[in-house]
Amino acid sequence: QKEVEQDPGPLSVPEGAIVSLNCTYSNSAFQYFMWYRQYSRKGPELLMYTYSSGNKEDGRFTAQVDKSSKYISLFIRDSQPSDSATYLCAMTYNNAGNMLTFGGGTRLMVKP
Amino acid sequence: GAVVSQHPSRVICKSGTSVKIECRSLDFQATTMFWYRQFPKQSLMLMATSNEGSKATYEQGVEKDKFLINHASLTLSTLTVTSAHPEDSSFYICSARLGLAGKDEQFFGPGTRLTVL
Repeated sequence: QKEVEQDPGPLSVPEGAIVSLNCTYSNSAFQYFMWYRQYSRKGPELLMYTYSSGNKEDGRFTAQVDKSSKYISLFIRDSQPSDSATYLCAMTYNNAGNMLTFGGGTRLMVKP
Repeated sequence: GAVVSQHPSRVICKSGTSVKIECRSLDFQATTMFWYRQFPKQSLMLMATSNEGSKATYEQGVEKDKFLINHASLTLSTLTVTSAHPEDSSFYICSARLGLAGKDEQFFGPGTRLTVL
């Protein structure tokens, strides 16, 4: 069993839709949770960074963490074609500067 | 934001040759850099952690004699793939740690696509 599980997709949605991306993990020692966006043939870009259970909002993005269920989510509101990318969840034991364990990534396609 | 560059962005080499990939933090000093490998449609797998002035720490299953890592300065780490073979063809991505109080995170380079013929 992988430490971090993520549905690979692809997930195809129409422009303007609300997108829900999810990861589950098995190691309760993970304390910090990140979401990265990766465009094709590019390096990952940090979108959201949370360390407590609950919601964190930044513009169209909302990150949700449920440590009791070992489940994290990323919601994208009013999705745009430019959001089409692979979204990777990542987590670490102490902070985002240390070794990250990534999920497999979910490929998202937003159709105009 | 902090910028990390990689050079080259793409390299094609013959089997048996060695390839060096550079990772630079352009506007900050990084005491720690990480090297990842990503196969098509798969996630990033950590290969090694590189600390400035000391030997790299390799993840299980990664051959340290094949993937040589040097972190000679606070802004530069290099990964050398020695005696490359077609199975080494992959997307290699580095990240640099910005370890400031209240802002400790990694910034990723754009990646280097290695193709071994």
